[in-house]
Amino acid sequence: QSVLTQPPSVSGAPGQRVTISCTGSSSNIGAGYDVHWYQQLPGTAPKLLIYGNNNRPSGVSDRFSGSKSGTSASLAITGLQTEDEADYYCQAYDTSLTVVFGGGTKLTVL
Amino acid sequence: EVQVLESGGDLVQPGGSLRLSCAASGFTFSNYAMDWVRQAPGKGLEWVSTISNNGGSTFYADSVKGRFSVSRDNSRNTLFLQMKSLGAEDTAIYYCVKDRGRSGGKVGMDVWGQGTTVTVSS
Repeated sequence: QSVLTQPPSVSGAPGQRVTISCTGSSSNIGAGYDVHWYQQLPGTAPKLLIYGNNNRPSGVSDRFSGSKSGTSASLAITGLQTEDEADYYCQAYDTSLTVVFGGGTKLTVL
Repeated sequence: EVQVLESGGDLVQPGGSLRLSCAASGFTFSNYAMDWVRQAPGKGLEWVSTISNNGGSTFYADSVKGRFSVSRDNSRNTLFLQMKSLGAEDTAIYYCVKDRGRSGGKVGMDVWGQGTTVTVSS
């Protein structure tokens, strides 16, 4: 069981907007640590998608955005495209001096 | 080009040992913390270990503490993971990852290798 909780799956039609939640606790997200998001396309290594709650690395589409509030965070994807079909993971730091990941969310584009 | 390349994955018997290496290039290796993250077959990402930029601080997941040891050679731009007392639960793809900060863990991981596969089986 992962320290950060994500829905196992979400889906949406092309062009739609979807959100993926990430729920933590007072020892990680709620402690003020930033949340980061990774995208893992099928058969490939993960890629940094969002860092510092809502910052996109160079080259990442502005269709991806992040937010954080209290002990939770969210990833939003607008204008869904078939190429967005992937697994998405949230990550934060914990007061136990460990790095924690969410269990991952599989996005299906219908 | 900024990249990290893992090596050393293999089939090993339960109770055995293995040493993974990760060669970094395209960035000032000594300025950044480095991480190991693993992914068991069909499962999600699991953080394994972090080492600070100068090697002075190391951190481990409870699942590997006492069995795994992370180290780095900044003169050779290389990261290592020494693994011992391996069990079936350690079977996974092991990713070498560049952290965005010096101490690790807090600011995200921005460069991932392609991974090296460790299989623990008799």
